[in-house]
Amino acid sequence: SQQGEEDPQALSIQEGENATMNCSYKTSINNLQWYRQNSGRGLVHLILIRSNEREKHSGRLRVTLDTSKKSSSLLITASRAADTASYFCAPSNTGFQKLVFGTGTRLLVSP
Amino acid sequence: EAQVTQNPRYLITVTGKKLTVTCSQNMNHEYMSWYRQDPGLGLRQIYYSMNVEVTDKGDVPEGYKVSRKEKRNFPLILESPSPNQTSLYFCASSLSGLAGGGNTDTQYFGPGTRLTVL
Repeated sequence: SQQGEEDPQALSIQEGENATMNCSYKTSINNLQWYRQNSGRGLVHLILIRSNEREKHSGRLRVTLDTSKKSSSLLITASRAADTASYFCAPSNTGFQKLVFGTGTRLLVSP
Repeated sequence: EAQVTQNPRYLITVTGKKLTVTCSQNMNHEYMSWYRQDPGLGLRQIYYSMNVEVTDKGDVPEGYKVSRKEKRNFPLILESPSPNQTSLYFCASSLSGLAGGGNTDTQYFGPGTRLTVL
């Protein structure tokens, strides 16, 4: 199993702005997942992108994957105060077993 | 409502007193997993189960036991808890442990159990 490293550690923006956070990993993967965690609560699975996909959309979320650079980005467009949370990436060689999460990016969206 | 439930949500105990944290899902999921979350360390996987009677170690299994006697339940057992097991614990489940496409691509997390071992 390998750990993704999220960057930046913290991000503060105004409502309506876009938020971009990045994830880097070290070895080849089969897929990469993004999760959100509101303070002290369980994680919510946002999106999974496979190694043969370059971009994936889900509502206001856009995820890209560059396997040559071993990196992924999560873009939240037109952010809302409710998007305030920590965001984690989880690179994987399989599916959900042996996932390792980093310390995440803490996003604060101010009204 | 599809969900993963954990009990208890909060627990304060003393060193050496055996405890069990229960996890149950009502989605007929094959895959279940336990994580612990500690400040500065992120989430780390303790154990996972691909199906009934099939369990395997994650990254930090020491001091923990699990069992998967039935599909819906995946209890986490601390036989002799120690202060370094003070943490926030999450249970998760998915239709399959393998990301096979479609609705197998989602992992559901429980609300968490905050454990303090004195």
